[in-house]
Amino acid sequence: EPEVTQTPSHQVTQMGQEVILRCVPISNHLYFYWYRQILGQKVEFLVSFYNNEISEKSEIFDDQFSVERPDGSNFTLKIRSTKLEDSAMYFCASSEQGQNTEAFFGQGTRLTVV
Amino acid sequence: GIQVEQSPPDLILQEGANSTLRCNFSDSVNNLQWFHQNPWGQLINLFYIPSGTKQNGRLSATTVATERYSLLYISSSQTTDSGVYFCAANQGGSEKLVFGKGMKLTVNP
Repeated sequence: EPEVTQTPSHQVTQMGQEVILRCVPISNHLYFYWYRQILGQKVEFLVSFYNNEISEKSEIFDDQFSVERPDGSNFTLKIRSTKLEDSAMYFCASSEQGQNTEAFFGQGTRLTVV
Repeated sequence: GIQVEQSPPDLILQEGANSTLRCNFSDSVNNLQWFHQNPWGQLINLFYIPSGTKQNGRLSATTVATERYSLLYISSSQTTDSGVYFCAANQGGSEKLVFGKGMKLTVNP
């Protein structure tokens, strides 16, 4: 069964460093997303991406964040200068046709900023 | 934007018991999904159910879109059902799935 895959599963980084989280969405899906979950809290939307551009973003997704689809299969989230409060589980998701279709989530990348 | 509320917040059951989880949403939705977050943090898709009823083994779900709620039924619960259950919804014009706060289920042997 096709699935969304994320790497790495865990990442520890020092405050101020840049991190790139990677995702391979399901191959025939056109819409890609990043969500995050701070420990013990609910899952929050960060950004959606369609046709090589951001289609929607939340207030959390400020200038420290960027997304890219560098090739035909990968989708990345970059955090430019990490802060302690960026520590969270980051989920990538994809859907075939956007808001009216089911979103499938990757297994998550646990980011710890020290 | 849309508000999603789940109840109850926590539930403890004995193995074999049945349970009903409720999700209320504040506006009409294009998409409603139920997820199970396992102890490793993975979000497992349970149902995509913007309306109607679906069943998958011991689990079933019903969404009554006109009354803005969805129910997840777990029958004959097993210890492996433990974890956090989330519902999430989006409304027309938005790609954003809004998650509820989750319901922590503990099934004891």
